[in-house]
Amino acid sequence: DGGITQSPKYLFRKEGQNVTLSCEQNLNHDAMYWYRQDPGQGLRLIYYSQIVNDFQKGDIAEGYSVSREKKESFPLTVTSAQKNPTAFYLCASSIGTAMYGYTFGSGTRLTVV
Amino acid sequence: QQPVQSPQAVILREGEDAVINCSSSKALYSVHWYRQKHGEAPVFLMILLKGGEQKGHEKISASFNEKKQQSSLYLTASQLSYSGTYFCGTEVRDRGSTLGRLYFGRGTQLTVWP
Repeated sequence: DGGITQSPKYLFRKEGQNVTLSCEQNLNHDAMYWYRQDPGQGLRLIYYSQIVNDFQKGDIAEGYSVSREKKESFPLTVTSAQKNPTAFYLCASSIGTAMYGYTFGSGTRLTVV
Repeated sequence: QQPVQSPQAVILREGEDAVINCSSSKALYSVHWYRQKHGEAPVFLMILLKGGEQKGHEKISASFNEKKQQSSLYLTASQLSYSGTYFCGTEVRDRGSTLGRLYFGRGTQLTVWP
């Protein structure tokens, strides 16, 4: 079955360390997105990519970086510059426009101690 | 660019109805609705593409007023399985682009009791 795989499900890191969250999809979707979810805040857009080798900042890109070297993969790096990185991170993909809805991965819960 | 959802929370008895509203200050191309169970990924419910359009999915339907930049989600004869957090996502596009991205509201927590 096609879908989006995020790994790991839970991640613990020490403050000051960079960490990379994996997102892989086998849906042949062109567009991929990263959202951050905090209690009571909804989903906030970090980065998005609509084609390979191209990506754009969302509303809260500071302290994060991404790459899109392959259509299937869109990893997110949480850098030490992110002041409050503890959150639930969701990766999503869509065919190429928003007309068909997003498919979400099961998320990665990052805890920085 | 985050749309505003209301109410923040709804508590229902099984069989009762509910309405969740979503409004945006930006011109919209489409509105999406998703449901998220605790600790899980949001699941796509439906998309509305044009002003005044209504769509239905079993006993869950929605409307989209393009001029008012508002959408409402209607849940009728609610079931226990309807419990979860409902998010609206509003599509914004850059000028000249046909590709949009979604901005999500803060969510409405729906609890259905037997």
